[in-house]
Amino acid sequence: QKEVEQNSGPLSVPEGAIASLNCTYSDRGSQSFFWYRQYSGKSPELIMFIYSNGDKEDGRFTAQLNKASQYVSLLIRDSQPSDSATYLCAVKRDFGNEKLTFGTGTRLTIIP
Amino acid sequence: EAQVTQNPRYLITVTGKKLTVTCSQNMNHEYMSWYRQDPGLGLRQIYYSMNVEVTDKGDVPEGYKVSRKEKRNFPLILESPSPNQTSLYFCASSLGLGGYQHTQYFGPGTRLTVL
Repeated sequence: QKEVEQNSGPLSVPEGAIASLNCTYSDRGSQSFFWYRQYSGKSPELIMFIYSNGDKEDGRFTAQLNKASQYVSLLIRDSQPSDSATYLCAVKRDFGNEKLTFGTGTRLTIIP
Repeated sequence: EAQVTQNPRYLITVTGKKLTVTCSQNMNHEYMSWYRQDPGLGLRQIYYSMNVEVTDKGDVPEGYKVSRKEKRNFPLILESPSPNQTSLYFCASSLGLGGYQHTQYFGPGTRLTVL
């Protein structure tokens, strides 16, 4: 079992719709969860982080965390063509460990 | 401007020819890390450093060396590159221990091809 799993996609969503990206993790000691966006050939850039159960909203983005189910998701509202990218889920184990473990990413395509 | 820089951005080399990829950050970050990214495998950590003179292996350290003599620099050394080290390499840095929200900021990447 992979430590961090994501559906590789591609996920195609019409412009203006909600894109839903999912991530599961195996280590129950994981404490912090990050979503990065990566355009082709570019470096990952941070979109959001979350460490408490529930929802966290930032503009068009909402991260959702359910530690009991070991599940974290990212919702993108009003999807735009510029949202087309690969989205990486990353997990940090605990307060004293900076290591990030990444999923393989979900490729998202927004269809105009 | 706060940033992580890497050089070179692109490199084609031959098997066995030693090379160094430099990484520098201007954010006074304590933690620095090297990743490689391969299709279907995602980002995998090669080495990391918690502070000056403190380095440790990540998940895929074989064939690589690092050093951290100054806080801002964290070079990646391939003593004898092989074709299976052809990959996209990223350097990253973060503030260090002390908070759930401390995340890593990535350099622009170095695309390495070993023939």
